[in-house]
Amino acid sequence: EAQVTQNPRYLITVTGKKLTVTCSQNMNHEYMSWYRQDPGLGLRQIYYSMNVEVTDKGDVPEGYKVSRKEKRNFPLILESPSPNQTSLYFCASSPTRGVNTEAFFGQGTRLTVV
Amino acid sequence: SQQGEEDPQALSIQEGENATMNCSYKTSINNLQWYRQNSGRGLVHLILIRSNEREKHSGRLRVTLDTSKKSSSLLITASRAADTASYFCATVYYGGATNKLIFGTGTLLAVQP
Repeated sequence: EAQVTQNPRYLITVTGKKLTVTCSQNMNHEYMSWYRQDPGLGLRQIYYSMNVEVTDKGDVPEGYKVSRKEKRNFPLILESPSPNQTSLYFCASSPTRGVNTEAFFGQGTRLTVV
Repeated sequence: SQQGEEDPQALSIQEGENATMNCSYKTSINNLQWYRQNSGRGLVHLILIRSNEREKHSGRLRVTLDTSKKSSSLLITASRAADTASYFCATVYYGGATNKLIFGTGTLLAVQP
C-alpha cells in the first residue's frame, strides 16, 4: 500500500531533550516536506527536500533540522525542543518536481513539549 | 503572509444538503487543491484544479476557480455524515518553490444525520 509513515504518533517530552520524528514514504517520491499545524494558523511548511541531499527552509524553520540521506526517509529533528514547538506535525511527499501534483500526507505526530 | 483564507470557518448542515466552502488567495497560482482532514488525522487529497481551468468535478465534489477574483469554491452535494471533517484549500504559487503548498485556515464541516 502506498503510504507516508510517521513515527511516533504521539510524543510528550521535556524542554531541551533532543528528539527525532521519522518519516518514510514507499512511493519513490522525490519531493518531501514537513508541516506543522496549529489552531487558527492552518498548516505551515517547516522544511522541504527536492531530492536526496537537497533540503531548504520553509516558512517556519527556526528550531528544526532535517536530513535527506535516502530518498524514502526525511526525519525532522528538534535539537532543543521548547514549549512553542508543541504542535501537530505532518510529513508529506509528492511524486515529481512538477507543480501539478498532489501531496500525500502521513497520519501526523502530536508533539507536546513541557 | 501568503496564506489563504477560507470561509466559513465552520458550517453545520443536515445530511442530504449541499455544502459550499470558499477559499481566497493572494497571488498568482499554478494550481489550487482541496484536502480533507478527519479530526486530528492526516490530510487526504480531494481534487486539484489548474490555473487555466474554471471548473472540475469528482464524484459529489465540484470545484470552481476564478483567478480574476483569486478565489475558489468547493461544493459537496448530497452530503453524508461521513463528510464531517475539516476542509482545506492549498495553492501552489506561480514561481514559488516547486510543490510548496500554501494552506488556508480551513472550514470545519459538520453533517448532522
